[in-house]
Amino acid sequence: SQQGEEDPQALSIQEGENATMNCSYKTSINNLQWYRQNSGRGLVHLILIRSNEREKHSGRLRVTLDTSKKSSSLLITASRAADTASYFCATGVSGGYQKVTFGTGTKLQVIP
Amino acid sequence: NAGVTQTPKFQVLKTGQSMTLQCAQDMNHEYMSWYRQDPGMGLRLIHYSVGAGITDQGEVPNGYNVSRSTTEDFPLRLLSAAPSQTSVYFCASSDRGGPTPYEQYFGPGTRLTVT
Repeated sequence: SQQGEEDPQALSIQEGENATMNCSYKTSINNLQWYRQNSGRGLVHLILIRSNEREKHSGRLRVTLDTSKKSSSLLITASRAADTASYFCATGVSGGYQKVTFGTGTKLQVIP
Repeated sequence: NAGVTQTPKFQVLKTGQSMTLQCAQDMNHEYMSWYRQDPGMGLRLIHYSVGAGITDQGEVPNGYNVSRSTTEDFPLRLLSAAPSQTSVYFCASSDRGGPTPYEQYFGPGTRLTVT
């Protein structure tokens, strides 16, 4: 079963606008990751936030984590056409091998 | 570094045929995983390995076998292909230590169609 659920399923914005995607999960986690997938390609890791962190930045990306609400958000600022892709959250639980469970993704379209 | 490589890129099988999807990584990662991606389902874990000689089942293991004789290679075998195995298959590697712990590096995928 899927652990993470992204919301919205699809998002269409104009270039230069900000895009916000949300992820909710069900059980306690060790960390949460966001990945990007361009059409027909493999996933690319964007950012990892640990369960004891509340916010993390990487370039135009800002991720927040609220463990009390079991939710995370990914904000992409000043979006570009090249940001058009599907975005997945992935939750990891502690242990030697971390079984990562992916959500169903948010499909983002940035219109030039 | 080539990262994670997968072959073939595309494959068409008839029901009942068997085949092996190849995966290799050159980052000396401990962990390797196989996922399948179906429309609207996200990625689901098939099998994974925590080191050479050690494998375990994921969420959807039925119909697939794996082995890991070396750190670099992690092939996925379809024993008797079924139309329900039509999917895109991704191999990934990761490590619990180093500069990017738990970050998964994905291969480009194999698009499999079973008729």
